[in-house]
Amino acid sequence: DIQMTQSPSSVSASVGDRVTITCRASQGISSWLAWYQQKPGKAPKLLIYAASSLQSGVPSRFSGSGSGTDFTLTISSLQPEDFATYYCQQANSFPPTFGQGTKLEIK
Amino acid sequence: EVQLVESGGGLVQPGGSLRLSCAASGFTFSSYWMHWVRQAPGKGLVWVSRINSDGSSTSYADSVKGRFTISRDNAKNTLYLQMNSLRAEDTAVYYCARDLDTDYFDYWGQGTLVTVSS
Repeated sequence: DIQMTQSPSSVSASVGDRVTITCRASQGISSWLAWYQQKPGKAPKLLIYAASSLQSGVPSRFSGSGSGTDFTLTISSLQPEDFATYYCQQANSFPPTFGQGTKLEIK
Repeated sequence: EVQLVESGGGLVQPGGSLRLSCAASGFTFSSYWMHWVRQAPGKGLVWVSRINSDGSSTSYADSVKGRFTISRDNAKNTLYLQMNSLRAEDTAVYYCARDLDTDYFDYWGQGTLVTVSS
């Protein structure tokens, strides 16, 4: 199985900050990567797919980039509702696998 | 509006069985592949199983292969997960999710908690 490793595991930031989360795949996955946001007690929400395609309805302050093994999720200006846990997920090879998550906390 | 509503979770003893259901509405259920994804308490997301749109093809994670069976009833717009020989490590919130395109998950249910304990 392809291993997905996110960094950092947690990050503290303030409203208005720019935040970047990194995801690394154990082998090349082209652009077959998604990012999800999960708030406590809620289901995950798809933000980005195909590494950089913004899911319908997701604010444009979210963006994704990368290909091969290294990917980033950037939030350009943090809003209060963005504090959550973020997961990357590869869809290149069976089975689909997720990163361990990055918890974004309020500073 | 797309809605996925899971049910059927609960407390079961090790070795027991449980069937989860996921009722779909707001889209043409029979046109979409569907998945189950689980999340142990305080842990990350783990893919469990998928089924193609007409139910003729299924896939499983190694950890559940031979114990879990995914199925669907397109006439009832419902996805199922039959879980047998349950183990403590199967304890998790189970989510059903719709496939956007090749194993991306664009809509998720609210989840149903399965607790395996004596």
